[in-house]
Amino acid sequence: AQSVTQLGSHVSVSEGALVLLRCNYSSSVPPYLFWYVQYPNQGLQLLLKYTTGATLVKGINGFEAEFKKSETSFHLTKPSAHMSDAAEYFCAVKKQTGANNLFFGTGTRLTVIP
Amino acid sequence: GAGVSQSPSNKVTEKGKDVELRCDPISGHTALYWYRQSLGQGLEFLIYFQGNSAPDKSGLPSDRFSAERTGGSVSTLTIQRTQQEDSAVYLCASSLANRGINSPLHFGNGTRLTVT
Repeated sequence: AQSVTQLGSHVSVSEGALVLLRCNYSSSVPPYLFWYVQYPNQGLQLLLKYTTGATLVKGINGFEAEFKKSETSFHLTKPSAHMSDAAEYFCAVKKQTGANNLFFGTGTRLTVIP
Repeated sequence: GAGVSQSPSNKVTEKGKDVELRCDPISGHTALYWYRQSLGQGLEFLIYFQGNSAPDKSGLPSDRFSAERTGGSVSTLTIQRTQQEDSAVYLCASSLANRGINSPLHFGNGTRLTVT
């Protein structure tokens, strides 16, 4: 079975500071991994994904994440936070084979302090 | 092009009433998913439709929940005899799904259901 744990339901950073949102997964087989972002009153948007190949993946809006198999992690980072980054971020996992439905973490709400 | 459309955007209903939530997927997307987003619970998978295959209903929380997809396009999620714990945002997503091949999910803005 696949599952995702996001440490920290709320994260606050100052504008310009490093953003680090943590995600750990458990999966019996190598998974595909995703980060989605949900801005207020909007649907979820795909930020980035890891399928195969390079373990450091870059997404939209300057975000990136690194797949670390040894740590079963897929943490999301951005070097310098912007006010517009304030949103809720969800990590998700799916098996490489079989159905395409995703299993999501409980989300991390990012607040950016001016 | 048009994204995933859900209606209504908000629904308030009395406990015990039935509700229907609608999802129009992106044209050409063969896969459709329903998720429930409750406060502090993240996104909970409910049901998944793929083409003409039997749907994966493994996430439906009780037999009061059902969904259908007519003509491989529009889907309706029905909740019978609503309870207060059904209050949540119900999200629909669609994708160009091929088993084993990554295909990103495109989400609608959701229907916020409040059961009073």
